[in-house]
Amino acid sequence: EIVMTQSPATLSVSPGERATLSCRASQSVSSNLVWYQQKPGQPPRLLIYGASTRATGVPARFSGSGSGTEFTLTISSLQSEDFAVYYCQQCNSWPLTFGGGTKVEIK
Amino acid sequence: EVQLVESGGGLVQPGGSLRLSCGASGFTFRNYAMSWVRQAPGKGLEWVSSIRDSGAWTSYADSVKGRFTISRDNSKNTLYLQLNSLRAEDTAVYYCAKDAGSGTVYYYYMDVWGKGTTVTVSS
Repeated sequence: EIVMTQSPATLSVSPGERATLSCRASQSVSSNLVWYQQKPGQPPRLLIYGASTRATGVPARFSGSGSGTEFTLTISSLQSEDFAVYYCQQCNSWPLTFGGGTKVEIK
Repeated sequence: EVQLVESGGGLVQPGGSLRLSCGASGFTFRNYAMSWVRQAPGKGLEWVSSIRDSGAWTSYADSVKGRFTISRDNSKNTLYLQLNSLRAEDTAVYYCAKDAGSGTVYYYYMDVWGKGTTVTVSS
């Protein structure tokens, strides 16, 4: 099983600032890595697939990078609606696995 | 509008059973793989099971293998999850989710999610 580790667990950021979230895989997943955003009481929303491609309707301030075992989600200028929990998921091999999440909170 | 609506959750005693359903609309259900993902209270996401478009291929997390069964009825645009031998650690919101691929192209990440149905296992 591929273990996905996200850091930090919590990120305190002021509106307008940049946020950088990390996701590490225990073995290579190539570019088969996606990011989801989840707000309280809501289901996850697909943000990034293929490690770096924004899903339909996702603002350009969200960007993903990385391949192999190290991945990054960057939010260039945090808006109020971006405060949420972010999860990475590898879709390279079974079982599908998620990271533990990074909560982005208002500083 | 693409939509997934789960139902069938509830309170069940340890060792009991439930069947979850997920009704799909707004897309050609029979062309897509589908998955169940759960989230325990205050915890992260955990993949549970996936099924390909025809229903001939399925996969399960080790934590539910032998106890849960995923199935689908393409004539009814409905996905199912049969939960047997339930344990307290199965308590979670169960989400139904659509694969981002189509036909024989499977991506195994999810681009559409339902709002979830809550399963509580307690005596």
